[in-house]
Amino acid sequence: SYDLTQPPSVSVSPGQTARITCSGDALPKQYAYWYQQKPGQAPVLVIYKDSERPSGIPERFSGSSSGTTVTLTISGVQAEDEADYYCQIADSSGTYKNVVFGGGTKLTVL
Amino acid sequence: EVQLVESGGGLVQPGGSLRVSCAASGFTVNSNYMAWVRQAPGKGLEWVSILYSGGSTYYADSVKGRFTISRHNSKNTLYLQMNSLRTEDTAVYYCARALVILEWSYAFDLWGQGTMVTVSS
Repeated sequence: SYDLTQPPSVSVSPGQTARITCSGDALPKQYAYWYQQKPGQAPVLVIYKDSERPSGIPERFSGSSSGTTVTLTISGVQAEDEADYYCQIADSSGTYKNVVFGGGTKLTVL
Repeated sequence: EVQLVESGGGLVQPGGSLRVSCAASGFTVNSNYMAWVRQAPGKGLEWVSILYSGGSTYYADSVKGRFTISRHNSKNTLYLQMNSLRTEDTAVYYCARALVILEWSYAFDLWGQGTMVTVSS
């Protein structure tokens, strides 16, 4: 199965742009998904299919993909964006199915 | 309202069994891919199992042979039967509905609030 690697932490000041990366060999072949999780809460899907935004997710959240790296970008970061962020893929080979999450990135808004 | 509500968590001894439930409202469980994802205290997310709308089931290697995912259509409820529990199974267990992009590529667009399972003597 594949691994997804994220930086443990990213820090930005309010109003700046935060970029959170996720790297893995499977990413050129698989769609990536991103979740936001605040303390004590369930995860929330913020990006699907590499760059699509679910309804209700603010436009400042965007996603992109290049080779073996996908990136979650948060433009004009707000204090409420402070959270853990996880990337995810679904892996399939024949009858083998697997879902892989990255280790998570803690976004700190300074 | 579209929501998922888990129940059934608790304290269980190593080697014991527990069944957690996830009651769905506002949509039909058997028409969707449904999954369990867990999170150990202070750790990241770990996929546990998924049940396809057609009935196929898949498991993470860490739980294969010990856990069983199932659904009750008339109760619109998803279950996870956990046997031979280990201390490393201690986690918050979330049920989630899958947003299917391709048959084998999906995200989780609706999550429950989670239920805590503690395996300890």
